[in-house]
Amino acid sequence: GAGVSQSPRYKVAKRGQDVALRCDPISGHVSLFWYQQALGQGPEFLTYFQNEAQLDKSGLPSDRFFAERPEGSVSTLKIQRTQQEDSAVYLCASSAGTGFSYEQYFGPGTRLTVT
Amino acid sequence: AQKITQTQPGMFVQEKEAVTLDCTYDTSDPSYGLFWYKQPSSGEMIFLIYQGSYDQQNATEGRYSLNFQKARKSANLVISASQLGDSAMYFCAMYTDTGRRALTFGSGTRLQVQP
Repeated sequence: GAGVSQSPRYKVAKRGQDVALRCDPISGHVSLFWYQQALGQGPEFLTYFQNEAQLDKSGLPSDRFFAERPEGSVSTLKIQRTQQEDSAVYLCASSAGTGFSYEQYFGPGTRLTVT
Repeated sequence: AQKITQTQPGMFVQEKEAVTLDCTYDTSDPSYGLFWYKQPSSGEMIFLIYQGSYDQQNATEGRYSLNFQKARKSANLVISASQLGDSAMYFCAMYTDTGRRALTFGSGTRLQVQP
């Protein structure tokens, strides 16, 4: 079956541009997570959705970051006025349930480079 | 707050030998899950193994086993009979149902399997 997909896989943005990163989770998965992975580091939590509700956005680094999942399936992470420190891989993950025993399936990530 | 510590930035192992990757964790939550993920150079996060805090037995999945020592708050990954394809970054992660409901990752260990 289809896994988690993300697009684009690579994105180069000039400093100050807005970008939108898309995540298509596994069909029927309730939970959706966004993580940011800087080079050589482990992923860091950004935000969490349960269906269409954004239950936790405490990891978003600034108000330039915004995420939505309006119909409880596809999610978009938007970054306004990109800065060089936003350069990272953005990973999306989904899981079938809401408890910790549910495996999170990761997408391939979007590598964002801000020049 | 939850924290995962991986103290081995890099490890080398000879093909066909076993290797242990260390992970210690910190949480005040009595209920949690511990995960190991593999991230090859291609970037995708591949789930390897899961251990619940209340599980009595250590988890095993093929060549992977998790050495869970609850009192020491350690969850080391053991890979038996290493293969060249095991060369990758390995991340330990924890998930609790209270507080931030997302994976907290360690900084990772880069494993290189030598022929």
